[in-house]
Amino acid sequence: NAGVTQTPKFRVLKTGQSMTLLCAQDMNHEYMYWYRQDPGMGLRLIHYSVGEGTTAKGEVPDGYNVSRLKKQNFLLGLESAAPSQTSVYFCASRKDFGQATYEQYFGPGTRLTVT
Amino acid sequence: KQEVTQIPAALSVPEGENLVLNCSFTDSAIYNLQWFRQDPGKGLTSLLLIQSSQREQTSGRLNASLDKSSGRSTLYIAASQPGDSATYLCAVRVRGSGTYKYIFGTGTRLKVLA
Repeated sequence: NAGVTQTPKFRVLKTGQSMTLLCAQDMNHEYMYWYRQDPGMGLRLIHYSVGEGTTAKGEVPDGYNVSRLKKQNFLLGLESAAPSQTSVYFCASRKDFGQATYEQYFGPGTRLTVT
Repeated sequence: KQEVTQIPAALSVPEGENLVLNCSFTDSAIYNLQWFRQDPGKGLTSLLLIQSSQREQTSGRLNASLDKSSGRSTLYIAASQPGDSATYLCAVRVRGSGTYKYIFGTGTRLKVLA
């Protein structure tokens, strides 16, 4: 049981380039989240998904897109990277509301630098 | 708008000391509060989760309390060890815009000196 995994761990992009971050979980969780963590600002929610085939905007969705084609995977895309998107990105998942205590499980993070 | 504050931002204590980390939130309408540990360059590890109807939760040397009416939670660490050195984050689960979401504090960076 690997929990929540993220690929890649590190990436450097030039302004305007695109990339996709992959999050995978093997806990059969319904809910998945993408956060970004910046110094002095805490984690902020980018997008989230309440189940396969569904996505919704979080607090800071601009410049990002997501897809949840399979229950175990949640992809975060940057179509045209900007320096303001330099951050550490975390994926999280949790069980459905009918099953447990809403505890979130986090991946190890992806450190992205946009130059 | 819900805001979560953690003070102090950083704390250094000698090994063996008992310590308290603070988390305050501005809106008492929360569904739960979760404490996390984050090691440098790593993800978040859940330590304790307190439901809104509970007053405290315990796990080993950790005890978390919740006082919704005053908008406060504390994380008590007994007999601190150098291995406890990390950043501790709290997050509250709230309802907003038709769904639930989590609001995070900025964390307290703890250093336990050997």
